[in-house]
Amino acid sequence: AQSVTQLGSHVSVSEGALVLLRCNYSSSVPPYLFWYVQYPNQGLQLLLKYTSAATLVKGINGFEAEFKKSETSFHLTKPSAHMSDAAEYFCAVSGRYSSASKIIFGSGTRLSIRP
Amino acid sequence: DAGVTQSPTHLIKTRGQQVTLRCSPKSGHDTVSWYQQALGQGPQFIFQYYEEEERQRGNFPDRFSGHQFPNYSSELNVNALLLGDSALYLCASSLADTRAEAFFGQGTRLTVV
Repeated sequence: AQSVTQLGSHVSVSEGALVLLRCNYSSSVPPYLFWYVQYPNQGLQLLLKYTSAATLVKGINGFEAEFKKSETSFHLTKPSAHMSDAAEYFCAVSGRYSSASKIIFGSGTRLSIRP
Repeated sequence: DAGVTQSPTHLIKTRGQQVTLRCSPKSGHDTVSWYQQALGQGPQFIFQYYEEEERQRGNFPDRFSGHQFPNYSSELNVNALLLGDSALYLCASSLADTRAEAFFGQGTRLTVV
């Protein structure tokens, strides 16, 4: 069975400050891990994905995430927050060996940016 | 490339009615998955269609059914609507067995009154 847990349903940071969104996963097989962003009244956009090539994954809009197997974590970071980063962020996991790779999402973290 | 398109964008139905939502996958994709996203929650997997057959199903009742057509487009049908079925329904398309990323549509917002 697979699952993800996002720590903190709401995170607020000042513009220009470090963004850190936390995600821990559980998987009985080597996982694929994802971070998605969702702006109000829109669908999901993939920020980045981990597929075992490199533990530090760089994504769009200056975001990156590091896969730490020993900690079963995949935290999302951005060095300097911008007002346009305000959105809902979802960590997700899928199986690598299943022929039907459904994606399992966390409950989401709402990121607010203070001017 | 139009990406994944869903219709309609918004829908209001009465409890007990039936609804059909539609999804056209990204060009070149052959697999369609449907997700339900209740307000304030993450998306939940409903089912996945490939080669016009349901390949995998999540923990949803039989009131939720689907179909995939030869052109890979898909429909999600929900019968006997309940108030709790109010949600954003997301369609995702992908290319089977390639591990390439899935692309999501903008979703259909269903409100049951």
